[in-house]
Amino acid sequence: TQLLEQSPQFLSIQEGENLTVYCNSSSVFSSLQWYRQEPGEGPVLLVTVVTGGEVKKLKRLTFQFGDARKDSSLHITAAQPGDTGLYLCAGGRGAQKLVFGQGTRLTINP
Amino acid sequence: KAGVTQTPRYLIKTRGQQVTLSCSPISGHRSVSWYQQTPGQGLQFLFEYFSETQRNKGNFPGRFSGRQFSNSRSEMNVSTLELGDSALYLCASSLSGGRMNTEAFFGQGTRLTVV
Repeated sequence: TQLLEQSPQFLSIQEGENLTVYCNSSSVFSSLQWYRQEPGEGPVLLVTVVTGGEVKKLKRLTFQFGDARKDSSLHITAAQPGDTGLYLCAGGRGAQKLVFGQGTRLTINP
Repeated sequence: KAGVTQTPRYLIKTRGQQVTLSCSPISGHRSVSWYQQTPGQGLQFLFEYFSETQRNKGNFPGRFSGRQFSNSRSEMNVSTLELGDSALYLCASSLSGGRMNTEAFFGQGTRLTVV
């Protein structure tokens, strides 16, 4: 059972454009993390959000946790080729195992 | 502070053989989780160890096993390898417990190819 649904699964845009990736669930999570993974490497943690409605910014990346702590979004402004990668969201509930979405494969074309 | 270390990085095995992968977590982290990642299935949870005990387990056959040592280092073993076991195996460590302590930090992975 896939508890976290990410959309879109694939996204290819031109450099300089903006984009938003979504991570949705019917379950409540105590925390939600976003990771970026490059080919052949392990996922790298970008951010953790824990409070409903929380917004965090990391340079051109803006992460938001839904008010009900069931969904999250990642918005990238003025995308650059270096943003290319697989973006994964993962929900946590204390000591229970993290639940991962299936990922969004993002390609930024120069 | 050293990150999560996985060895080896690459491995080629023959069908029917067995393999052992190793993971050294971040110092102070007591939880180690293992994942299998394939292009078609995404990140699939194998199991989690905390203080030398398996705390969570995914839906994989008994050929996949693991253990954790007193220093939190972990190993996973796959016996009777099949072609479909070819994948990137990722290890993640975390402090575990509490709202903020579910952050997982991943190693670079072991790329296993079964021929």
